[in-house]
Amino acid sequence: AQSVAQPEDQVNVAEGNPLTVKCTYSVSGNPYLFWYVQYPNRGLQFLLKYITGDNLVKGSYGFEAEFNKSQTSFHLKKPSALVSDSALYFCAVRDGGGFKTIFGAGTRLFVKA
Amino acid sequence: DSGVTQTPKHLITATGQRVTLRCSPRSGDLSVYWYQQSLDQGLQFLIQYYNGEERAKGNILERFSAQQFPDLHSELNLSSLELGDSALYFCASSVGLAGASNEQFFGPGTRLTVL
Repeated sequence: AQSVAQPEDQVNVAEGNPLTVKCTYSVSGNPYLFWYVQYPNRGLQFLLKYITGDNLVKGSYGFEAEFNKSQTSFHLKKPSALVSDSALYFCAVRDGGGFKTIFGAGTRLFVKA
Repeated sequence: DSGVTQTPKHLITATGQRVTLRCSPRSGDLSVYWYQQSLDQGLQFLIQYYNGEERAKGNILERFSAQQFPDLHSELNLSSLELGDSALYFCASSVGLAGASNEQFFGPGTRLTVL
């Protein structure tokens, strides 16, 4: 069975500082990994994905994520946080060849000015 | 704007009632997914359809059912509603099927309140 864990309910960071939102996963096959962001009263928006290839994936709004197979992690990063990055972030995993995408519980990011 | 539309935006009803939520996927997308988001349960996958056929089931209650029509729009039917069914219901769509690496595009959601 596949699963995904976001160990932090909330991450606080000052504007201009680097941010990391953590995600670990478990799948039986090759993982397809995704990050989504949800702003208040909105649906989720796709940020980036890892399917294969380079372990460092670049996405929207200056976000990137690093796939680490040995640690089964896919942490979301940004070199310099903005107040407007404050939102709820979801990591998701799909077992390659499977139908289901499983979402993590979400991590709320607060960026303080 | 993701291109996925959901109606209605808000729905207030009473316990024991039945409601229907509607979703139109992005043009060209064949897969439709339904999710329930509540404060205590997070984002729960309910069910997926591909080109009219059910393809995957998640934590969907027996009181809930869904279908995808020939024009690819989908409806989620919730019956015998309970207070705990109050949540945001999201529809998402994507191009592909099993093994596909396609990301999902989410609609704005329907907020259901059961009184």
